[in-house]
Amino acid sequence: LAKTTQPISMDSYEGQEVNITCSHNNIATNDYITWYQQFPSQGPRFIIQGYKTKVTNEVASLFIPADRKSSTLSLPRVSLSDTAVYYCLVGEPGGYQKVTFGTGTKLQVIP
Amino acid sequence: GAVVSQHPSRVICKSGTSVKIECRSLDFQATTMFWYRQFPKQSLMLMATSNEGSKATYEQGVEKDKFLINHASLTLSTLTVTSAHPEDSSFYICSASDSGGRGEQFFGPGTRLTVL
Repeated sequence: LAKTTQPISMDSYEGQEVNITCSHNNIATNDYITWYQQFPSQGPRFIIQGYKTKVTNEVASLFIPADRKSSTLSLPRVSLSDTAVYYCLVGEPGGYQKVTFGTGTKLQVIP
Repeated sequence: GAVVSQHPSRVICKSGTSVKIECRSLDFQATTMFWYRQFPKQSLMLMATSNEGSKATYEQGVEKDKFLINHASLTLSTLTVTSAHPEDSSFYICSASDSGGRGEQFFGPGTRLTVL
């Protein structure tokens, strides 16, 4: 299982764009990159998944360079409700493969 | 998206008792479910992989006789913490994948276990 490295914590003011970068140097050819959000005392919630280049959905964008050794989750115009822990996971899709959670990034949005 | 539920959401028990936690996939079938444990201010730690109709696969360091897992149907997996002790107090989370979906795992809301 590919190991991921993320910043432990980040602070941002409301309304700003937040970029959280994840390093995954030993990502395998079949691995996808998936980001989850977790609020205190809740289970993680799927945010976005991608394989290469750029993926965008209604809540975030995911940027993946050509070498795929890192990825960046971009949250546009964050609000206080975006304060949470964000996890980057790397693995084969399909849901049957176990995944390993890294430390995650604690995002604190400041009014 | 698909929904995974857990019951109970919170349980307090005395040391030495056993506690059962249920994980259900409400609108899809899941041949594989995963159980995680999360201590305060820490990340999720995978405990075991639950396979419908077969024995669970436990991660290194997880006692299979203490954490009993049963996956009797395609929508239900149970985790029983036997002879619970205060150090077993934690947040237990399950996940499952909808094989017909995009492949992401859907997580349950978690169960807060407190052992007195």
